[in-house]
Amino acid sequence: DGGITQSPKYLFRKEGQNVTLSCEQNLNHDAMYWYRQDPGQGLRLIYYSQIVNDFQKGDIAEGYSVSREKKESFPLTVTSAQKNPTAFYLCASNYRSPNTEAFFGQGTRLTVV
Amino acid sequence: AQSVTQLDSHVSVSEGTPVLLRCNYSSSYSPSLFWYVQHPNKGLQLLLKYTSAATLVKGINGFEAEFKKSETSFHLTKPSAHMSDAAEYFCVVRGPGSSNTGKLIFGQGTTLQVKP
Repeated sequence: DGGITQSPKYLFRKEGQNVTLSCEQNLNHDAMYWYRQDPGQGLRLIYYSQIVNDFQKGDIAEGYSVSREKKESFPLTVTSAQKNPTAFYLCASNYRSPNTEAFFGQGTRLTVV
Repeated sequence: AQSVTQLDSHVSVSEGTPVLLRCNYSSSYSPSLFWYVQHPNKGLQLLLKYTSAATLVKGINGFEAEFKKSETSFHLTKPSAHMSDAAEYFCVVRGPGSSNTGKLIFGQGTTLQVKP
């Protein structure tokens, strides 16, 4: 079945550590996105990528990094520079054509302990 | 610039009564509009989409939405609420953007509560 997979579902990190969240899609989508979701704040865009080996900062990129070495994969690293990393992280993908919908993964809940 | 405003952060209805979730958008172009639903600790699921075809769009689970260009609105409705409809709902606009990339712009979300 085609879809978008995030792993792990739950992740715990000690302060000062970097952690990488995985996002893989087998939908042959061109574009991939990372969003952060906090209670009462909707979804905020962290990074997005339209093609392989290219990505752009979203609205809240500070303290995060990404790579897009393969079309199917768009991992997100939460670095120690991110001051408040505890949140629910969602990955999405779609075709570049503007009339197409995005598909979302099931999310990763990151907690700093 | 594109934007989307969900007019209610929280809506409460009784089971079996109609649902109305309101969404207004702003776009310089003819936009693509979407409604998504999110259950707790889950990803977002597409309910329906408008892409310049019919202005009344039918989606899954009995939901529908009407695109009204003159009012710049795309309100989501359902004739009869079910307990399983309790969730967070997001209105999303996507336009051409630069280089035909079309980023997604999300509303702040509306929490739907369904009372027995």
